[in-house]
Amino acid sequence: DVKVTQSSRYLVKRTGEKVFLECVQDMDHENMFWYRQDPGLGLRLIYFSYDVKMKEKGDIPEGYSVSREKKERFSLILESASTNQTSMYLCASYGGPRSNEQYFGPGTRLTVT
Amino acid sequence: GENVEQHPSTLSVQEGDSAVIKCTYSDSASNYFPWYKQELGKGPQLIIDIRSNVGEKKDQRIAVTLNKTAKHFSLHITETQPEDSAVYFCAANPGVLQGAQKLVFGQGTRLTINP
Repeated sequence: DVKVTQSSRYLVKRTGEKVFLECVQDMDHENMFWYRQDPGLGLRLIYFSYDVKMKEKGDIPEGYSVSREKKERFSLILESASTNQTSMYLCASYGGPRSNEQYFGPGTRLTVT
Repeated sequence: GENVEQHPSTLSVQEGDSAVIKCTYSDSASNYFPWYKQELGKGPQLIIDIRSNVGEKKDQRIAVTLNKTAKHFSLHITETQPEDSAVYFCAANPGVLQGAQKLVFGQGTRLTINP
């Protein structure tokens, strides 16, 4: 069974703080994703990584950066958190063309005050 | 770019009845359409998918239909049960990102099954 874990289920941070959200997958997948989920907007892609140290911007990368130093770990960084980044953040890893499935972690609900 | 619209945003049905969720997409190049189910406190999980060369696919009580001409696809759940209560997302892929499927998701439908 594929397992995708995220470092925190709930996080409360202050405006201007640097925030790290971490994601780990145990299936040796090359491709990993970060999404944010907001009511009425569905899931929107923030960043994508297709290999160690490789990354591509998704649809809403502004205000975020990512790090992929090891294959199993993909981190999302909010350099200076703002209240409009209060959201649910979901990490996913991709099972490859045979399954086409994206496997999601349980999510981190981030509140920026 | 690709845009996926999903309706309705909320749906309430009696246990045992059928539920239908509909999605439309804009990019005619999209060729893969998955449906994800998100239970409370969990991440979304793939429940069924369909490729553009197929018009319908069924897996027990769930089925998906695709109309490429009209650019819409639907999820059908029959004989609904309380455990079907969840948020459902449709998605379409407008292309491939370095070997992985990029997915554009719909807005989600909160399905409630009333006992």
